[in-house]
Amino acid sequence: GNSVTQMEGPVTLSEEAFLTINCTYTATGYPSLFWYVQYPGEGLQLLLKATKADDKGSNKGFEATYRKETTSFHLEKGSVQVSDSAVYFCALRHNTDKLIFGTGTRLQVFP
Amino acid sequence: DAGVTQSPTHLIKTRGQQVTLRCSPKSGHDTVSWYQQALGQGPQFIFQYYEEEERQRGNFPDRFSGHQYPNYSSELNVNALLLGDSALYLCASRTGLRNTGELFFGEGSRLTVL
Repeated sequence: GNSVTQMEGPVTLSEEAFLTINCTYTATGYPSLFWYVQYPGEGLQLLLKATKADDKGSNKGFEATYRKETTSFHLEKGSVQVSDSAVYFCALRHNTDKLIFGTGTRLQVFP
Repeated sequence: DAGVTQSPTHLIKTRGQQVTLRCSPKSGHDTVSWYQQALGQGPQFIFQYYEEEERQRGNFPDRFSGHQYPNYSSELNVNALLLGDSALYLCASRTGLRNTGELFFGEGSRLTVL
């Protein structure tokens, strides 16, 4: 069945460091791919999305490119801030309206 | 404009009891989904309601049931609670059954089963 695998955390970085959080998926066809972020004490928020191969989603300095050949949707940011500390979830949606999430990756950014 | 609101925010129950969680969707939204997020895990889809009917269901037993009211608000009911039902329960809303727009999540109801 459809599934999402993302790297385990926590990912610990200093401010202004480069961030990569890996995400790979298993699905037939062309699912839509998403990154959601969960800040402490808040609900999930959509960070970015891509709906077809080679699409690049971007928001707030974060980017992810839909790579069909490697079934990946890695999240990147060139310079993280302390305020980016949160849990990041990769997710897919395919043929139904439900989202399938990965287990989440906690990012901790220190000044 | 209020977003998705859920109540209660926290609650504690004992095994075998029943619980009802409530959700008011974002203004203008008519489709509500519920997700269960166990500690350290990603959210898992429970079911979706549209026009007061359950439209999709995930891999959850019949102990999990729901309802949607004419004002689009929704309830999640869990009977015969088990320790493993301890989790954060998230409600999400959008407009339309097959809308590809953004899904808005509430902050969740954290259920602890003792």
